[in-house]
Amino acid sequence: RKEVEQDPGPFNVPEGATVAFNCTYSNSASQSFFWYRQDCRKEPKLLMSVYSSGNEDGRFTAQLNRASQYISLLIRDSKLSDSATYLCVVFKGAGNMLTFGGGTRLMVKP
Amino acid sequence: EPEVTQTPSHQVTQMGQEVILRCVPISNHLYFYWYRQILGQKVEFLVSFYNNEISEKSEIFDDQFSVERPDGSNFTLKIRSTKLEDSAMYFCASNRDGLGGTNEKLFFGSGTQLSVL
Repeated sequence: RKEVEQDPGPFNVPEGATVAFNCTYSNSASQSFFWYRQDCRKEPKLLMSVYSSGNEDGRFTAQLNRASQYISLLIRDSKLSDSATYLCVVFKGAGNMLTFGGGTRLMVKP
Repeated sequence: EPEVTQTPSHQVTQMGQEVILRCVPISNHLYFYWYRQILGQKVEFLVSFYNNEISEKSEIFDDQFSVERPDGSNFTLKIRSTKLEDSAMYFCASNRDGLGGTNEKLFFGSGTQLSVL
C-alpha cells in the first residue's frame, strides 16, 4: 500500500462547481497533514494545514479523519485559477521529512 | 514574503559528470531540505540538514550525493557522478523549527531542472 494515496484525476469541472479530493495515508501514527498546490513544473506551495477539527480558508475546507486515515479537500465556487495539481502531504512524526502523495490534477473550465 | 532561491534554474550535464545545485535558504531558518521530482512522479524526500549535519536521509540519497553549507548562507547538493535516472527537478526547502511544531511550514525554492544526457 502506498504511504500517501490520491486519485490522480484529472478532475474536469466547470467554473463555479464544487469539487472534493480525497487522500488516504497508511501510517496511523502520522502527526501532521497538509494540502499543497503545485502548478505545472513549479514548486509546491502550502495551501493549508489539516486539523482534526476541520479547517476552512475562504473557498477551501480541509477535513481529517484519523480513524479512517483519510484527508479531504473541498473547493467551492471553483475558479479558472484553481487549475493545478493538489498534493496531499503527511508528516509521519518521525524523521524530519514530509511524505507526498502523487497529486490530484484539477482542471477548471470556463 | 521571504524566498528560498535556487540556482541554476536549469542544468544540463553529461552522464558521469559532477553537478552542484545551489540554494540560499531564508535567512533565519535553521532546517534545510532537498526534495526531487522526476517528471510525472511524486515529490520525494532526499535529505534534511540541521546544525551543520544531516539529520535524515532517504534511500535515494546514496554515496553519490552530498550536502554542504559552506558559508552560512548557501546550501548545496552535489551529485558526484550523475546517472540518467538523476534527471529530475530538485527542490530546496527550509523552515525555522523543523517539522512537528507550530512553525513547520516548509518554504520551497523554485527548483533546478537537472537533465542528464
